[in-house]
Amino acid sequence: GAGVSQTPSNKVTEKGKYVELRCDPISGHTALYWYRQSLGQGPEFLIYFQGTGAADDSGLPNDRFFAVRPEGSVSTLKIQRTERGDSAVYLCASSSGGGDNIQYFGAGTRLSVL
Amino acid sequence: QKEVEQNSGPLSVPEGAIASLNCTYSDRVSQSFFWYRQYSGKSPELIMSIYSNGDKEDGRFTAQLNKASQYVSLLIRDSQPSDSATYLCAVMAGSARQLTFGSGTQLTVLP
Repeated sequence: GAGVSQTPSNKVTEKGKYVELRCDPISGHTALYWYRQSLGQGPEFLIYFQGTGAADDSGLPNDRFFAVRPEGSVSTLKIQRTERGDSAVYLCASSSGGGDNIQYFGAGTRLSVL
Repeated sequence: QKEVEQNSGPLSVPEGAIASLNCTYSDRVSQSFFWYRQYSGKSPELIMSIYSNGDKEDGRFTAQLNKASQYVSLLIRDSQPSDSATYLCAVMAGSARQLTFGSGTQLTVLP
């Protein structure tokens, strides 16, 4: 596709449930990032993939959060035992991996944990 | 102390005026600097990138970088109501690939 695609655009779940958020990066982009944005704040880094491997997962808040990118393209962010504090907009970005380091963002998934 | 600081705003300017947005960062090894625009309920959209000291101009936008002062700014000339949005400063440090964002400055351009 022309841009970064994220699905679903909105997700409402109950506390304790499991959710999966999907990101389809710009075609040919090798680097993929997940960020989380709370109201009134800038995005906060969660995890970065270069190809299939997680190059940096230092931003994941705890072991309830996990992400995969098995074929080096689409990525899934998985959240187990969701808590109300997980409610936020989850943003995915991709970049070509080139020297300009420019990241392009998807529209995000708004997660609401009731 | 936050790693990337921005004036929280809100900042209001009249249409046609120059809007000045400021950002300071704490990590001296920062190499790449970006300004993103975010409309309410939308995703961040890249406005400018800057990598070396000095000014970089693109249309009505000018980014200014001073690494010695750890300061980056964005000037918007001839501001338009459509420029009303939150402007996010983002920094990429050293070999890290992730962006560290400020909290954003909300800009309103009054017709």
